[in-house]
Formats: sequence, structure tokens, C-alpha cells
Amino acid sequence: GENVEQHPSTLSVQEGDSAVIKCTYSDSASNYFPWYKQELGKRPQLIIDIRSNVGEKKDQRIAVTLNKTAKHFSLHITETQPEDSAVYFCAASMNSGNTPLVFGKGTRLSVIA
Amino acid sequence: KAGVTQTPRYLIKTRGQQVTLSCSPISGHRSVSWYQQTPGQGLQFLFEYFSETQRNKGNFPGRFSGRQFSNSRSEMNVSTLELGDSALYLCASSFRLRDAEAFFGQGTRLTVV
Repeated sequence: GENVEQHPSTLSVQEGDSAVIKCTYSDSASNYFPWYKQELGKRPQLIIDIRSNVGEKKDQRIAVTLNKTAKHFSLHITETQPEDSAVYFCAASMNSGNTPLVFGKGTRLSVIA
Repeated sequence: KAGVTQTPRYLIKTRGQQVTLSCSPISGHRSVSWYQQTPGQGLQFLFEYFSETQRNKGNFPGRFSGRQFSNSRSEMNVSTLELGDSALYLCASSFRLRDAEAFFGQGTRLTVV
């Protein structure tokens, strides 16, 4: 089955700096790659997603890149703010076949003011 | 529009007992997935249901089971509880299977003593 590896497990950045979180996946058939943010004590919420027919997607300060050949995708957060502090999860799935939405183990991002 | 509702929010059970958790998806959503969340292990996939059919099952022992009803509500059952089953159990619903935003419930916090 699909296996998603996520790095780093913890990340501390100064406010205003950029943060990058990387994930690799094992199943080359996976075609949907969402990122979720979970604030302390809250439920995970989708912040951005990308499909395999797209190499990059941006939404204000957040961007995701996908390299299908290398089977890895990354989350980029620019101009980080204290409210970006949370645990971020990457995930991969295939909308047909036998690949459910499988998550990485998460990255705890701390933005230091 | 009501969000995903999980009941109960908190449970304390003793080893050897069994437990049933409930998840009511967003109206119109036919896909429900279940995840176990523990510190350091992230979101581990348990089950995936779509239109009352289990489409996939994660690497959990047979003590973990689930089902989905015709109104898309889902339940998961854990029999012969072990201390290691203590975790936050999250369900997520989506309109389509896998390649659409998954909306999470607030989870059921299960403590096995």
C-alpha cells in the first residue's frame, strides 16, 4: 500500500522567514496530494491540495510543488506568522483503485515572534 | 451546514471491554474514513467507506471493525480493548471518494485503563 514519509518532524522559524516541509510517497499511481493544518486541540483542516496533472499551486503565502518523477511534494509557507504555528500533515491518495488517503506523521511548526 | 459530528467526545474504558464510536458526516457526503491519532504516529488510516461499502482497511488487527449505514452515518467498533488503543479517533467525510476535501470531526478521545 501507499506509504508517505514527511520531514522534518519539527521545525522552528523566525517570524517572517519561510518554512518548507517535504513529503515523499511510494505509490506512483497516487494522484491527489492535500496538506492539512491542525492547531492545538483542533481538528485537521485542508489548507491546499494539488493533483498530479499540476506541478505547482499557490494560495497567498502558501504554495505546494509536486515532482511526480521523484515522487515527492513540498509545502512552502512564506512570511511566516505566529498563527502559522501548528502541526502540518501531508497526504496522498488515488481516486480510483486501492489507495486511500494516507497521511504522513506530521511536522510541528513553531513560528517564533 | 452542520459539520462532521462524532459521539461521544470522550470515553474511558477498561481493558477487555468493547467500544462503539459514531460519526455523522456532512449532509450529502457519502465517503467516510476513520483515523487513529496518537502522538508521534500522526494520522493512521483505519477504514474507508463509500455508499455503505468498505473500500479499504488499514493495518489494524481484526478487533477493529466498522460499518456505514444507508444514511452515510458510520460506526467503528473496537473489541477486547488494550491499553495501546488509547488515542484520538477521527472520522472524516467527503463528497467524493479520496480526491476531494476531507472534513474532519472533532474526534473521540478514548482512554483505556
